[in-house]
Amino acid sequence: GQSLEQPSEVTAVEGAIVQINCTYQTSGFYGLSWYQQHDGGAPTFLSYNALDGLEETGRFSSFLSRSDSYGYLLLQELQMKDSASYFCALSGGSYIPTFGRGTSLIVHP
Amino acid sequence: GAGVSQSPSNKVTEKGKDVELRCDPISGHTALYWYRQRLGQGLEFLIYFQGNSAPDKSGLPSDRFSAERTGESVSTLTIQRTQQEDSAVYLCASSLEGGGGNTIYFGEGSWLTVV
Repeated sequence: GQSLEQPSEVTAVEGAIVQINCTYQTSGFYGLSWYQQHDGGAPTFLSYNALDGLEETGRFSSFLSRSDSYGYLLLQELQMKDSASYFCALSGGSYIPTFGRGTSLIVHP
Repeated sequence: GAGVSQSPSNKVTEKGKDVELRCDPISGHTALYWYRQRLGQGLEFLIYFQGNSAPDKSGLPSDRFSAERTGESVSTLTIQRTQQEDSAVYLCASSLEGGGGNTIYFGEGSWLTVV
């Protein structure tokens, strides 16, 4: 089977940098994705890593280490609008993306 | 359409009634997924369609739940004899193809409340 672990909540102040970690277990691996979900909204795609290393998309970056079964999402220059839930999702040995339980990011002024 | 469309957006139903939730995926997307999300929880996989076939129904929580897809497009999730524990947001998503590495796009969800 597949499983993912991520912190339930992270808090930070506006303008800061925050890192949300995700560890996973899987028998097969295609990639690790990150999704953002605001309260009452649909999850929206942020980034995808299939290979080790850092992928940068504006203020957001995502990192993957396949040997450590570990990834993280890095959010820079935090803004109030970044307050949301962030999910890592594993594309493993099956066609079905498996989602973590989500990390609630609270950004304070 | 431009995005994944779901209806109804909100549904309140009495315990024991049947409900149907509809999903219109992005045009041309062959893969379609249904997830369930309880309040403050993660996304729980229900069922996956590739074309009109459902190779993986492993997430359906009971035989009260069923789904179909027609024309490699619209999908309907049916919950029979609803129970209070069925209250959740039901999210539909689609991707160009099934398989790892394909970005999936979610609809806004159907919020189901069973009273």
